[in-house]
Amino acid sequence: GAVVSQHPSRVICKSGTSVKIECRSLDFQATTMFWYRQFPKKSLMLMATSNEGSKATYEQGVEKDKFLINHASLTLSTLTVTSAHPEDSSFYICSARDGTGNQPQHFGDGTRLSIL
Amino acid sequence: DQQVKQNSPSLSVQEGRISILNCDYTNSMFDYFLWYKKYPAEGPTFLISISSIKDKNEDGRFTVFLNKSAKHLSLHIVPSQPGDSAVYFCAASARAAGNMLTFGGGTRLMVKP
Repeated sequence: GAVVSQHPSRVICKSGTSVKIECRSLDFQATTMFWYRQFPKKSLMLMATSNEGSKATYEQGVEKDKFLINHASLTLSTLTVTSAHPEDSSFYICSARDGTGNQPQHFGDGTRLSIL
Repeated sequence: DQQVKQNSPSLSVQEGRISILNCDYTNSMFDYFLWYKKYPAEGPTFLISISSIKDKNEDGRFTVFLNKSAKHLSLHIVPSQPGDSAVYFCAASARAAGNMLTFGGGTRLMVKP
C-alpha cells in the first residue's frame, strides 16, 4: 500500500527554536498533502492543506506565519514551527493523497514535538 | 460544531466476538466515509472506506455499514483479535468541499484474550 514517511519522529528543543518536519510520499506522487495536529486524547485537527507548487491553505485559527508549509515537489512537504513555545508541544501528523477524488489519505507516523 | 461524532470513547470486547464501532455525522454533503486505526505514537492506518452510493463494504474481517437516512455508519470487526486493540477514527469527506477529511473523536477498542 501507499507509504508516507515523516521525519523526525520526535523532537525535544528549547523555547524559541524553529523546528522543521518533513513528510514524504514514498511510492506515489501527492499533489496534496495535509498537516494535522493531535492533542492528548483528542481527534486529529486539520491545520493546513499543502498543494504542490502553490501556497498552503490554512484552517481557521492556524497562524500561517507560525506554521510555515512548503510543498516543493510532488513527494515532499515540510512544516516548520517557527519560534516554538511550550504551547506548540503536540503530536503533528502529515498525510498524503494519491489523486484528487475519493481516495484515502495515507498518514505518516507523526512527530512528537516537545518544547521545553 | 462537531460534524462527525463517535459517542463511545471506549469499547471492550472478548477475543473472537464481534466489535461494533459507531459513528454519526450531521453534514448531508458528506459522500465518502473512512475508518482508520491508530496505535499510540503512530499515524492512523487506513482500514476501509465506503462511498455514499453504497450501504455496505466488506474487506476480510472488517465490514462498514452506511445508513444515509440516519446519518450513521458502523465498523464491524469479526472475529475480534487482541491485535485489533487500538483507537479507531471514523472520517468523512465531501467532494464539494475538496474531499477534506473531518474526523470523529475516536473510540478506543480493547480486545481481551
